[in-house]
Amino acid sequence: AQKITQTQPGMFVQEKEAVTLDCTYDTSDPSYGLFWYKQPSSGEMIFLIYQGSYDQQNATEGRYSLNFQKARKSANLVISASQLGDSAMYFCAMREGGSARQLTFGSGTQLTVLP
Amino acid sequence: EADIYQTPRYLVIGTGKKITLECSQTMGHDKMYWYQQDPGMELHLIHYSYGVNSTEKGDLSSESTVSRIRTEHFPLTLESARPSHTSQYLCASSEAGTGGDGQYFGPGTRLTVT
Repeated sequence: AQKITQTQPGMFVQEKEAVTLDCTYDTSDPSYGLFWYKQPSSGEMIFLIYQGSYDQQNATEGRYSLNFQKARKSANLVISASQLGDSAMYFCAMREGGSARQLTFGSGTQLTVLP
Repeated sequence: EADIYQTPRYLVIGTGKKITLECSQTMGHDKMYWYQQDPGMELHLIHYSYGVNSTEKGDLSSESTVSRIRTEHFPLTLESARPSHTSQYLCASSEAGTGGDGQYFGPGTRLTVT
């Protein structure tokens, strides 16, 4: 079974609008962490935001926020006020367990911001 | 700003050649990782290391090997390159603790085997 599911292969958004990128996850471990990464066409992976399974509040980092719905096992990324430079591939990832283990990545969502 | 470096950035090489992809980080991180990523696809973990002299295979089977003789250095070697090895290889590192310490990625090596 897929541990991380991103159902939107591609998304378009108008500049200055907000956009939500979906991510659902599957784990039986009560302790886990959820991450979002951005990958521009240059290929590097840029860490955006993190949400721990025990965190009470949704994580925010500047224009990025994570809509964490634990019961639904979803961790959607919300980008407010989209910019042209936000056009990139976005990956959701999960780390399971209390110890630092490797990340499992979703298949990604290609976001295109339109002028 | 993460300090993790990969060389070369791009490599085109013929079938059967031995290649080593270099990865170094200056952050003193104990944990290092190698991922393989085909264009537009998800990342697959192929190797990881939790410290010096510690290496493990990841979820995706790979014919490559790795070594970790120094904390800062985690090279990946292909003894005999094949066209099926054509892909992007991403190196990452993280601190040994838990929580929100994300993995820091290098710029990647785009490998093409002809």
